Amino acid sequence: AQTVTQSQPEMSVQEAETVTLSCTYDTSESDYYLFWYKQPPSRQMILVIRQEAYKQQNATENRFSVNFQKAAKSFSLKISDSQLGDAAMYFCAYRPYGGATNKLIFGTGTLLAVQP
Amino acid sequence: SAVISQKPSRDICQRGTSLTIQCQVDSQVTMMFWYRQQPGQSLTLIATANQGSEATYESGFVIDKFPISRPNLTFSTLTVSNMSPEDSSIYLCSVEILANNEQFFGPGTRLTVL
Repeated sequence: AQTVTQSQPEMSVQEAETVTLSCTYDTSESDYYLFWYKQPPSRQMILVIRQEAYKQQNATENRFSVNFQKAAKSFSLKISDSQLGDAAMYFCAYRPYGGATNKLIFGTGTLLAVQP
Repeated sequence: SAVISQKPSRDICQRGTSLTIQCQVDSQVTMMFWYRQQPGQSLTLIATANQGSEATYESGFVIDKFPISRPNLTFSTLTVSNMSPEDSSIYLCSVEILANNEQFFGPGTRLTVL
């Protein structure tokens, strides 16, 4: 069974600085999707970025980028120029490619604090 | 993306009662999902709501406890039956946009069972 591990329960970053959130996963599949979601105190889950396993190029969305290391099964999120609004719980998620279910498997989350 | 609404946004219920949560999407979608997020925890999939057929439940979740309806491609309900304090959680529905395999979430329903 696939699992997702986030080893950093909490992280802190100064405003305007860069922070990297770690995520590792375990799967025997070669094709899959990886996602980072943000959940602020409002509890709304917001999709931050996605990565297809078959793509070697790391995904980038404005200040958010990932470092996808397929062989190491690692999928870290880098937030550049951190802003106060980035403070939230961040969840890494794995989705199988095709198959009987399209469910997301979530990690335990990393709570990010942004210091002014 | 998709705009998803949930009703109610929160509720406080008595032990032994049932609550039905509604999820409405602004466009037709094939895949709808119901997740549970227990206090301070991550999200766990309860079931996949299939239009025109019975929901598919994950291990540890049963239809008698969490009956689901999916009458059309824009709407679904989740009922939490015979509630106990252990059911106190946030319940979220999500939809998947097949074009890009992304899931979008509703705002969640915060349920407290006394």
